[in-house]
Amino acid sequence: DTAVSQTPKYLVTQMGNDKSIKCEQNLGHDTMYWYKQDSKKFLKIMFSYNNKELIINETVPNRFSPKSPDKAHLNLHINSLELGDSAVYFCASRSLGTASGNTIYFGEGSWLTVV
Amino acid sequence: AQKITQTQPGMFVQEKEAVTLDCTYDTSDPSYGLFWYKQPSSGEMIFLIYQGSYDQQNATEGRYSLNFQKARKSANLVISASQLGDSAMYFCAMREGYGSSNTGKLIFGQGTTLQVKP
Repeated sequence: DTAVSQTPKYLVTQMGNDKSIKCEQNLGHDTMYWYKQDSKKFLKIMFSYNNKELIINETVPNRFSPKSPDKAHLNLHINSLELGDSAVYFCASRSLGTASGNTIYFGEGSWLTVV
Repeated sequence: AQKITQTQPGMFVQEKEAVTLDCTYDTSDPSYGLFWYKQPSSGEMIFLIYQGSYDQQNATEGRYSLNFQKARKSANLVISASQLGDSAMYFCAMREGYGSSNTGKLIFGQGTTLQVKP
């Protein structure tokens, strides 16, 4: 079973559309993250939730909104998609404040292409 | 501000030889963690190894070891006996934050592409 799973893996959509990427982890972790990898492969954090509470909110356009219905799920909704939103979005999770929390697991990534 | 630097955009290594991927970091926090991840061409991010700033010994995981030199602020990844399947992009990352401000946020380097030659 995949520990951190993201859907969809590939998404091609038109400018102006609204889309969501879903993430689920079955590791029992309490903290989840969204990272963005741009075309130059640079990875940067976007958001983090700990037990459904937003703890990291980097400088990201308001068109991006994370939602965590429970600590095993963290979804990313993007409104009014722009060409520059094309990237790979990674979900990640860990147990904050524990020794095992030193291992941060990533999902397989969601390739978003805006045309 | 915390920063991770990987100065080698690309590296080649002969199969079965060892290779070192460089990583230097900058932080004023006394407590931090250093990670290495592998990203093969299929795109997923695979956790390889972790080193805590207070760990006395260098971390090892199978063929991977982390050469941690705290005074020099370097955390190089050593891969022994390279295999063709090691061809991938490798990222060094640092966990930011200390104590109650430790959110687990990772700051990544630019990555190094490793190609293993048969």
